[in-house]
Amino acid sequence: EDQVTQSPEALRLQEGESSSLNCSYTVSGLRGLFWYRQDPGKGPEFLFTLYSAGEEKEKERLKATLTKKESFLHITAPKPEDSATYLCAVKRGGGADGLTFGKGTHLIIQP
Amino acid sequence: GAVVSQHPSWVICKSGTSVKIECRSLDFQATTMFWYRQFPKQSLMLMATSNEGSKATYEQGVEKDKFLINHASLTLSTLTVTSAHPEDSSFYICSAGSSGRIGAFFGQGTRLTVV
Repeated sequence: EDQVTQSPEALRLQEGESSSLNCSYTVSGLRGLFWYRQDPGKGPEFLFTLYSAGEEKEKERLKATLTKKESFLHITAPKPEDSATYLCAVKRGGGADGLTFGKGTHLIIQP
Repeated sequence: GAVVSQHPSWVICKSGTSVKIECRSLDFQATTMFWYRQFPKQSLMLMATSNEGSKATYEQGVEKDKFLINHASLTLSTLTVTSAHPEDSSFYICSAGSSGRIGAFFGQGTRLTVV
């Protein structure tokens, strides 16, 4: 059964304090690992898709990396506007197209 | 980027009534629509997948007679919660996709409260 586990559940950082969020996954034949940002009361906002171990993608202060068992979302010098819940998801195994999501990491950046 | 419009953003209904939620793909043809449900502090859980013109495929444990999904066109899918009960109160989110474009586009979500 597909499984996505995110840690930590919550993270509070000072503005400018870099850190990483973890996403461990178990899926039969990875066909894509997704990162999203979700603000309260909103749908997920797409950030990155990674497909193979060793792949990295960057967008502003965010960088996502992928290994065979986990993915990291690195946040460099975060700002208060980066505060949100960050979700990780994998495309389901067995050929189905839906996504299996983790519970997310609630990130708070304090000024 | 592509836009997926979901309506309404929030709805309050009485127990026993039905509620319809619309999901529109505004600038691309969505051959597949996904409906997710999210309870507070929980992950998004896939409820069903629908392909345009076909019957929806429901996940285990999701009652297909309670959550009616229609995907009659490439730009519109609807989720109807029939005979809603308080335990159906949740955040419902749609996602539109097409070949090679799965997972990128989500609606804004609908907060359903059943009283």
